[in-house]
Amino acid sequence: SYKLTQPPSVSVSPGQTARITCSGDALPTQYAYWYQQKPGQAPILVIHKDSERPSGIPERFSGFSSGTTVTLTIGGVQAEDEADYYCQSADSSATYVVFGGGTKLTVL
Amino acid sequence: EVKLLESGGGLVQPGGSLRLSCAASELRFSNYAMNWVRQAPGKGLEWVSVISGSGGTTYYADSVRGRFTISRDNSKNTLYLQMNSLRAEDTAVYYCAKVLGPSTTGVGFDIWGQGTMVTVSS
Repeated sequence: SYKLTQPPSVSVSPGQTARITCSGDALPTQYAYWYQQKPGQAPILVIHKDSERPSGIPERFSGFSSGTTVTLTIGGVQAEDEADYYCQSADSSATYVVFGGGTKLTVL
Repeated sequence: EVKLLESGGGLVQPGGSLRLSCAASELRFSNYAMNWVRQAPGKGLEWVSVISGSGGTTYYADSVRGRFTISRDNSKNTLYLQMNSLRAEDTAVYYCAKVLGPSTTGVGFDIWGQGTMVTVSS
């Protein structure tokens, strides 16, 4: 079955830039979405359609797509950004939803 | 403000059944496809199922196909997940989630409920 691959963990110091990648064979033809999830809370959509930011999401969150890899970038990381981040997309038929395994962002 | 509220979770024995509900408020419910997504303790997100706004189209993850049934009652603004033949590996927090935009598939989720816990254990 189709998979999206994320690094298990990323660590950055406050004020630095965090980059989280997500790889999948269908990403050139399917949009990617990114979610932030803090412990005990439901996920929150932070990026949709590869690079669009929903209202209310800080400008330091951005997304980029290139071939089979999409990247979530968090510029000027703050302590409150420490969370799990999941990419999500669809298989090549655009029928079935797939989530990446998640990346734990640690703010040192 | 659009809100989703799940209910119906609990402890059930292996092989048992449970029906989850998700009530939507402040939403033109029938305009949007709805999904169920689950998260096992300490694990990542796993998509379970989707239903179109009209209820006429449904899709399921391989792990639940044939055991779970998604449905909706647009007159009550409510989404359901009937879970039969439950297994220990179905233990998870179950979230309902609204799609972003008018499509049924190939889209993300902009509104999530707070989740309801399902525990399958003897």
